[in-house]
Amino acid sequence: GAGVSQSPRYKVAKRGQDVALRCDPISGHVSLFWYQQALGQGPEFLTYFQNEAQLDKSGLPSDRFFAERPEGSVSTLKIQRTQQEDSAVYLCASRGGRAAGELFFGEGSRLTVL
Amino acid sequence: QQQVKQSPQSLIVQKGGIPIINCAYENTAFDYFPWYQQFPGKGPALLIAIRPDVSEKKEGRFTISFNKSAKQFSLHIMDSQPGDSATYFCAASMDSGGSNYKLTFGKGTLLTVNP
Repeated sequence: GAGVSQSPRYKVAKRGQDVALRCDPISGHVSLFWYQQALGQGPEFLTYFQNEAQLDKSGLPSDRFFAERPEGSVSTLKIQRTQQEDSAVYLCASRGGRAAGELFFGEGSRLTVL
Repeated sequence: QQQVKQSPQSLIVQKGGIPIINCAYENTAFDYFPWYQQFPGKGPALLIAIRPDVSEKKEGRFTISFNKSAKQFSLHIMDSQPGDSATYFCAASMDSGGSNYKLTFGKGTLLTVNP
């Protein structure tokens, strides 16, 4: 596809379950970002990949959050032992180069933890 | 610590009005200031962006005004239309020696344009 694709669009998990969220960036895009957007708030940075290298994971809220991009294209955000406070929309974004410029966002994965 | 402060939280204007959304930042190392538009159920989409070497940038009905000394920037929407009703986010990023240019977002402004 032409844009950033995320799946699943909606995920309901019971507290304590593990979840995996997938991101397909725009083909050829070097940079990939994950953001967390709580209801009524702006997106907050979680982690950044340049190709397959995770260069910044300073925004991951706890060691229950883990992200990978093993081949430099598709990325997965995994949340272990989900908690209610993890409920949010998880946005993936990609950019063609390393320099500051337009981030292209996906539509997000809405996670609800019961 | 909120590095980008956005106001107002919500804004209602009549069609044809000129809504103005303001942002203030703290980190003087920021050197890229975009505005994103987000519709319900969608991801944010870039509207317009500015760098600190200019004081104003205009694209269509959207204008960014930038005041480097005050560390403030604002978005003006000329001749607003009901289709402009959305949430608007300001953001900022910096070139920290070839680092990741991650965007720091404001909390958003919900704009409603009444017909």
